Amino acid sequence: EAGVTQFPSHSVIEKGQTVTLRCDPISGHDNLYWYRRVMGKEIKFLLHFVKESKQDESGMPNNRFLAERTGGTYSTLKVQPAELEDSGVYFCASSPGQGGSPLHFGNGTRLTVT
Amino acid sequence: AQSVAQPEDQVNVAEGNPLTVKCTYSVSGNPYLFWYVQYPNRGLQFLLKYITGDNLVKGSYGFEAEFNKSQTSFHLKKPSALVSDSALYFCAVSHSGGYQKVTFGIGTKLQVIP
Repeated sequence: EAGVTQFPSHSVIEKGQTVTLRCDPISGHDNLYWYRRVMGKEIKFLLHFVKESKQDESGMPNNRFLAERTGGTYSTLKVQPAELEDSGVYFCASSPGQGGSPLHFGNGTRLTVT
Repeated sequence: AQSVAQPEDQVNVAEGNPLTVKCTYSVSGNPYLFWYVQYPNRGLQFLLKYITGDNLVKGSYGFEAEFNKSQTSFHLKKPSALVSDSALYFCAVSHSGGYQKVTFGIGTKLQVIP
């Protein structure tokens, strides 16, 4: 089976610009998660989709971040306008079913805001 | 709120020696515990998990972990370290019951010295 894919792998943008990250989960996985890791810190939870619905978005930093999951398939995470502190590696992960299933991660998108 | 602590930023071990990477957790209810490994420029890969049953769980690449409920710990172990085990290791927790988010620790860098 194809794994979780993320696009782009790297993005460098200026402060105030907009960036959209995309994640294609493993086919059939209901759960889709977004995480972010800033250098040297923990992998911080952003939000969790179950199919097309937001199950938990408690980790979204502020309203500059908008996540969508079209038809319960791929997901996008838009940052608008980007700030310097948004830099980091954004990971997407998916899993089937309910709790206890391991997460399958993409390789991440490294976002640099200058 | 659930949380994970990995008290060591880095663990150094000689090749062939046993290794331990420490993890403690805090969660309401019964925990689901996971270890993931990350190699450079890659996403996280699942190593092993504890859901229920035997406190000693075995996973990929010869790794194992012991669940200790009284100490709320889930330390990762391997009897004989390989240079190729050098990577970043993350402990994670969620809890039983429906769709639950997974919380990660800060990560521990394992360096196996030839």
